Amino acid sequence: SQQGEEDPQALSIQEGENATMNCSYKTSINNLQWYRQNSGRGLVHLILIRSNEREKHSGRLRVTLDTSKKSSSLLITASRAADTASYFCATDVSDSSASKIIFGSGTRLSIRP
Amino acid sequence: EPEVTQTPSHQVTQMGQEVILRCVPISNHLYFYWYRQILGQKVEFLVSFYNNEISEKSEIFDDQFSVERPDGSNFTLKIRSTKLEDSAMYFCASSDRTGYQPQHFGDGTRLSIL
Repeated sequence: SQQGEEDPQALSIQEGENATMNCSYKTSINNLQWYRQNSGRGLVHLILIRSNEREKHSGRLRVTLDTSKKSSSLLITASRAADTASYFCATDVSDSSASKIIFGSGTRLSIRP
Repeated sequence: EPEVTQTPSHQVTQMGQEVILRCVPISNHLYFYWYRQILGQKVEFLVSFYNNEISEKSEIFDDQFSVERPDGSNFTLKIRSTKLEDSAMYFCASSDRTGYQPQHFGDGTRLSIL
């Protein structure tokens, strides 16, 4: 597998349901981040979890990180139509003080009204 | 909220021509980045820049590419002799002083090479 593979590639759920997206990676990381991209727009940072953290919350978002399994999950609770977007996990693998982020291929999330 | 701004939003260029993509990072940020996204593919890291020099670059960032921070506010990506395969969305990003921090992205420049 490549660094940063998301599963599933596409997800369609009813508004109000929870959405779970998974990410796997291969190498050691400094941190793992999740980004959202609306069609035709730039990437919006959602949440960053450091390699020594296991779980992090931000509003309706919950991220877990399992470094032994080299995997992460993003849970969006009580989904809304505005959550429709592509979601990318991104691993920071830099050796220097500047980041080097490797993005996964993304999950396309569609929220049905 | 401060934003990263990129100009132009769409650039059309003949193959072989030079192109400069411009970015204005968030004003107190010190780390700057360029990424590209070929249509339907992943976002790919090109280069990171700190303290007026390149920190890291990917194998994509060959001798045809260069970056510059000419005046303390702009951050540019130059492609010297464009190829058809350079057609992509190019995103600029910046992060604040400590590094290992979330990156803030612009909305990108769509580069179309004819």
